[in-house]
Amino acid sequence: VLTQSPATLSLSPGERATLSCRASLTVSNFLAWYQQRPGQSPRLLIYDASNRATGIPARFSGSGSGTDFTLTISNLEPEDFAIYYCQQRANWPRAPTFGGGTRVEIK
Amino acid sequence: QVQLQESGPGLVKPSGTLSLTCAVSGGSITTSNWWTWVRQPPGKTLEWIGEIFHSGTTNYNLSLKSRVTMSVDKVKNQFSLRLTSLTAADTAVYYCARATAAATVIEFWGQGTLVNVSS
Repeated sequence: VLTQSPATLSLSPGERATLSCRASLTVSNFLAWYQQRPGQSPRLLIYDASNRATGIPARFSGSGSGTDFTLTISNLEPEDFAIYYCQQRANWPRAPTFGGGTRVEIK
Repeated sequence: QVQLQESGPGLVKPSGTLSLTCAVSGGSITTSNWWTWVRQPPGKTLEWIGEIFHSGTTNYNLSLKSRVTMSVDKVKNQFSLRLTSLTAADTAVYYCARATAAATVIEFWGQGTLVNVSS
């Protein structure tokens, strides 16, 4: 089980966002982060806990290993206000699971 | 880069069967990737349904395994999902997607198609 906190984060453009994802069992570094804007499909941001996907701006960074992970968005841009999901797949072929999501909203 | 497009009915009756197809463009379905279905009920998080390799090997979510069948058509460069015994709980946006060769990460997503299970 992946637990994301907080459920909602209210911030202003230019501020830093810190999102947490906690796994009930260790997932090593098999942790990814996705962004979902309203009405859009998810977009891969971070894979293997800390690697940015192709084309993802440097203001997005991921850290952590084992059971505790963090997605940091420095200097929030207007297009960053969205829902963020973490996802693990540490035990292929068992199903990957997603966290409940963190909504980053404009304060 | 690869693009994925879902197609299928937007409305299905309870106890019926859902059939969706995902057309892959910008790349071959015979690469070393896993082709994936994920769904998202309105206002809720994402749920992985299953995956298929171009050889036909599949892995399904145990919670849906008894109702799910996936197939691949290498000639048409597409893959499909079949979900039986539908209930209102199956109402969701259904996404097709491409996962990495290790299948740990979903790299590309289709735009999604809303399926409503209702009489």
